[in-house]
Amino acid sequence: DAGVIQSPRHEVTEMGQEVTLRCKPISGHNSLFWYRQTMMRGLELLIYFNNNVPIDDSGMPEDRFSAKMPNASFSTLKIQPSEPRDSAVYFCASRGDSPLHFGNGTRLTVT
Amino acid sequence: RKEVEQDPGPFNVPEGATVAFNCTYSNSASQSFFWYRQDCRKEPKLLMSVYSSGNEDGRFTAQLNRASQYISLLIRDSKLSDSATYLCVVVGKGGSQGNLIFGKGTKLSVKP
Repeated sequence: DAGVIQSPRHEVTEMGQEVTLRCKPISGHNSLFWYRQTMMRGLELLIYFNNNVPIDDSGMPEDRFSAKMPNASFSTLKIQPSEPRDSAVYFCASRGDSPLHFGNGTRLTVT
Repeated sequence: RKEVEQDPGPFNVPEGATVAFNCTYSNSASQSFFWYRQDCRKEPKLLMSVYSSGNEDGRFTAQLNRASQYISLLIRDSKLSDSATYLCVVVGKGGSQGNLIFGKGTKLSVKP
């Protein structure tokens, strides 16, 4: 079991650029979650999918953020245009009947 | 009142000490509870579920108090390797898979 795989591990970009984060959930898990973690706000749920369908995106900060899950083994979180306040660690997590399993995260820095 | 609240700490304890953390939650209809552990610059990992009757896993004991709406984590004989941030997780009514609410975590530092 390779676990939840995220890429890239680190991303440094300039304000205004598009950022795409990628996630491969654990095989067989039917729910996928995107979280953002900062010191100030802790771990915040951005959006989650069930069987590839977005169920709740109320945590997505604004229209600059979008997420897709074209199939059961892949999801993307896109920020366009990026802003310095988007700097955070972005975690993808998946679950089936088991508790939540997190990926290693993507540390995003927007300068 | 915040949905899930934890004392951020840090709790600085010597090796071998017993330490306990509490986590309060606001939604009385919450159904499931967990403790996760997060090491510095790593992802959160499940430490243990919290059952109504309380449960133990080695040096770790988790308890739920529904009347007062809090869960607790007790660590006995603490080790240097227990140093981490401990996050409590509360799942809302209906078991909505998206309704997992994380506390901000309690930082534990175990010193030699």
